[in-house]
Amino acid sequence: EDQVTQSPEALRLQEGESSSLNCSYTVSGLRGLFWYRQDPGKGPEFLFTLYSAGEEKEKERLKATLTKKESFLHITAPKPEDSATYLCAVEGDNDMRFGAGTRLTVKP
Amino acid sequence: KAGVTQTPRYLIKTRGQQVTLSCSPISGHRSVSWYQQTPGQGLQFLFEYFSETQRNKGNFPGRFSGRQFSNSRSEMNVSTLELGDSALYLCASSFLPHGGARGDTQYFGPGTRLTVL
Repeated sequence: EDQVTQSPEALRLQEGESSSLNCSYTVSGLRGLFWYRQDPGKGPEFLFTLYSAGEEKEKERLKATLTKKESFLHITAPKPEDSATYLCAVEGDNDMRFGAGTRLTVKP
Repeated sequence: KAGVTQTPRYLIKTRGQQVTLSCSPISGHRSVSWYQQTPGQGLQFLFEYFSETQRNKGNFPGRFSGRQFSNSRSEMNVSTLELGDSALYLCASSFLPHGGARGDTQYFGPGTRLTVL
């Protein structure tokens, strides 16, 4: 069965303090791994798609990487506006499965 | 470009009733997916429609159904509501080029908050 596990569940950072979020997955026939950001009371906002191991994508302070078993979302010098829940999802042959998310809080 | 719209935004129903939720995708997007989000289970995939055909279905009972119209608008129906159906129901659309993954550049609507009493 396809599975997605995100860690940590919650992360508190000081503004400017870089860190990484982890997404471990098992999937049959990976078609894509996706990162989304979700703010309270809103639908998820698409960030990145990664298709194969070794691939990297960047957008502003965010950088996503992918291996055969996990993905990392690196946040460099975060700002308070980066506070949100970050969701990882995998799409395989059978299904699209989301992780429980990492709730990120960045304090000024 | 207008985003994904969902109506209604909030809904209160009682057990045993049925409910229909509506989703209008971004213009030109052919794939529409529905998800259920709860604090306990997180985001779970319900089903996906493409060109009026259900292409994929998650692990939900038959009380959950949907359809897509020729203009790509989609509706989701839940019959015989149960307390556990209380959730945020999210619709998402994507352009989905041939052979592409539906999660790629998938845009979500704001959701419909359903409360079952």
